[in-house]
Amino acid sequence: GESVGLHLPTLSVQEGDNSIINCAYSNSASDYFIWYKQESGKGPQFIIDIRSNMDKRQGQRVTVLLNKTVKHLSLQIAATQPGDSAVYFCAEISSGSARQLTFGSGTQLTVLP
Amino acid sequence: ETGVTQTPRHLVMGMTNKKSLKCEQHLGHNAMYWYKQSAKKPLELMFVYNFKEQTENNSVPSRFSPECPNSSHLFLHLHTLQPEDSALYLCASSPNTGGFADTQYFGPGTRLTVL
Repeated sequence: GESVGLHLPTLSVQEGDNSIINCAYSNSASDYFIWYKQESGKGPQFIIDIRSNMDKRQGQRVTVLLNKTVKHLSLQIAATQPGDSAVYFCAEISSGSARQLTFGSGTQLTVLP
Repeated sequence: ETGVTQTPRHLVMGMTNKKSLKCEQHLGHNAMYWYKQSAKKPLELMFVYNFKEQTENNSVPSRFSPECPNSSHLFLHLHTLQPEDSALYLCASSPNTGGFADTQYFGPGTRLTVL
């Protein structure tokens, strides 16, 4: 079946370094993608989104890249800070009359001092 | 804070109990959602309400019964649950369902433990 998954369940980076979190999706009909951040004890928080007619979108310290050829999505965090430690997961929304929302299982990002 | 509140934050119940989870959004949104988040599993959409009307029920067992009296409040009534129903239950809201293209704002969740 269709699924959204993450390449790595955990990622540790040094404070100040850049982080890259990856997501693979299999539904070629998906046309909208979202990255969420979930800190311990809190609900998911929207970070950034991208539509399938784009291949890159930048926010504040974050960049999302979309490669539709290989069905790959990545989240880049510049100058990672301790407050960035959280679980990050992607979500995809399929196009068509019956739109479906599917979430990935998440990557735990730990920022080391 | 996201403008979405959930109560209680923690709930322990037996399999024969009846309890309710409450969600309230202060954002003026028209759509509300219930999700289940189990350990090491992707977030699972349970129910969607748009303008108080249920628009999605993702094959959720009848022991979970949602109620949406108005666009600002959403309840999840629980009865005769199973231990495997233990999870974090998250509520979210968005301006419109819009085919899920709207940004969703999540509450902090209710951590449910079924004994």
